[in-house]
Amino acid sequence: DTEVTQTPKHLVMGMTNKKSLKCEQHMGHRAMYWYKQKAKKPPELMFVYSYEKLSINESVPSRFSPECPNSSLLNLHLHALQPEDSALYLCASSQAGPPSYNEQFFGPGTRLTVL
Amino acid sequence: AQSVAQPEDQVNVAEGNPLTVKCTYSVSGNPYLFWYVQYPNRGLQFLLKYITGDNLVKGSYGFEAEFNKSQTSFHLKKPSALVSDSALYFCAVSHLEGGFKTIFGAGTRLFVKA
Repeated sequence: DTEVTQTPKHLVMGMTNKKSLKCEQHMGHRAMYWYKQKAKKPPELMFVYSYEKLSINESVPSRFSPECPNSSLLNLHLHALQPEDSALYLCASSQAGPPSYNEQFFGPGTRLTVL
Repeated sequence: AQSVAQPEDQVNVAEGNPLTVKCTYSVSGNPYLFWYVQYPNRGLQFLLKYITGDNLVKGSYGFEAEFNKSQTSFHLKKPSALVSDSALYFCAVSHLEGGFKTIFGAGTRLFVKA
C-alpha cells in the first residue's frame, strides 16, 4: 500500500466549531507531516512528527493542535479557526532515517473552508 | 538559509515538443533536490530526486532532471510533452543540517497544448 489517505475531503466549519482532520499511511513510514497550501502557492510546513514525537512546530497558532496516536495515524485538531485559515491541508509521510533526502508521499488533502 | 527559485510562473509548450521547467537553489553544504507535480485538487506527487552521484536523474513518467553544481540549477526536462503533463510543478530543496525541513519553490504551471 503506497497511499496516504486523508479524511474528510472537504470540511466547512464556523469559527466556533471544533473539528479534526485525519491522515493514515501503511507504508511503515516513521515521519509524518502537516502542510497548509493556499491556492496556487507552495505547501507551507506546519508540523513534523518523527517516531510519533513532535519534532517541528513551525510557530503554528495554538488553534491548530496536532496529534500522532500511533505510527500510522496523524490528526490535526481545529478549534476557533479564522476565515484566513481556509486552505488545502496536506498530510505527508516519509521513511525513517536521515530525513532530508527522503521523498515525501502526500495525501490528496482536505479542503477546509472557515465561515 | 536555504532557498529555491522557479523563475517562470508558467511554461507553455506544444504537445510532442521538449519541455524544460527551471529551478535554481541556494543552500549551504550539499543540496538534496526534488521535483514534485500537483494535479488540480490533489496532493503533491514525487517525480524524482538528486542526492549524489550521476548528475542526470531519471524519474517517473519520462521526466528527468540535471543537477548542475556550478550553476546551482536542477532543471526538469522531458523530451516529448503530453497534454496530460499539464499541471503545477514544484522544485524543492533540503540539506542534512536542515533536518526534516524541505523548502518548496513557488511552483511553475506547465500548460501543454494539443
